[in-house]
Amino acid sequence: QKEVEQDPGPLSVPEGAIVSLNCTYSNSAFQYFMWYRQYSRKGPELLMYTYSSGNKEDGRFTAQVDKSSKYISLFIRDSQPSDSATYLCAMSDSGGGADGLTFGKGTHLIIQP
Amino acid sequence: GAVVSQHPSWVICKSGTSVKIECRSLDFQATTMFWYRQFPKQSLMLMATSNEGSKATYEQGVEKDKFLINHASLTLSTLTVTSAHPEDSSFYICSARDREHYNEQFFGPGTRLTVL
Repeated sequence: QKEVEQDPGPLSVPEGAIVSLNCTYSNSAFQYFMWYRQYSRKGPELLMYTYSSGNKEDGRFTAQVDKSSKYISLFIRDSQPSDSATYLCAMSDSGGGADGLTFGKGTHLIIQP
Repeated sequence: GAVVSQHPSWVICKSGTSVKIECRSLDFQATTMFWYRQFPKQSLMLMATSNEGSKATYEQGVEKDKFLINHASLTLSTLTVTSAHPEDSSFYICSARDREHYNEQFFGPGTRLTVL
């Protein structure tokens, strides 16, 4: 079993829809959880950063972490065509910047105009 | 702020040659830099962690004699792929930890390496 599982998609939704992206993980030591957005042939861009369980909201983005279920989610409201990209979940067991991150494969999201 | 650059953005080389990739933090001091590799439709895989002024720590399965990492200053780390072979063709991405934003990593745009 891989440490982080993420459905690669593609996930195609109409503009304006609410998007739900998810990852599951097996390592209970993970405490820091991140979501990155990656455009084709570009480096990942940090979207959301959360510590332990709970919710965090930033504009149209909401990140949720449920450590008891080892499950994290990213919600995108009022999705726009410019949101089309690959979304990577990442996690770490010791301060997201202290050690290397463990990534999911990424979900390819397509927002249809 | 927190911009990381990589050079070159893409490189094509012949099998057996060595290639050097630079990673720079442009507007902050990076005490720690990380090197990742990403194969098509795969996740980023951590290769090594480098701290300024010390030897890099390599992940299991990554050959340290093949992937030479130097972190000579707080703004520059280099990855040299020695005696490159076609199976080394990949997308190499660095990230840097900002002293102020301790828990975050900022990624460079990546370098596409193709070995013929």
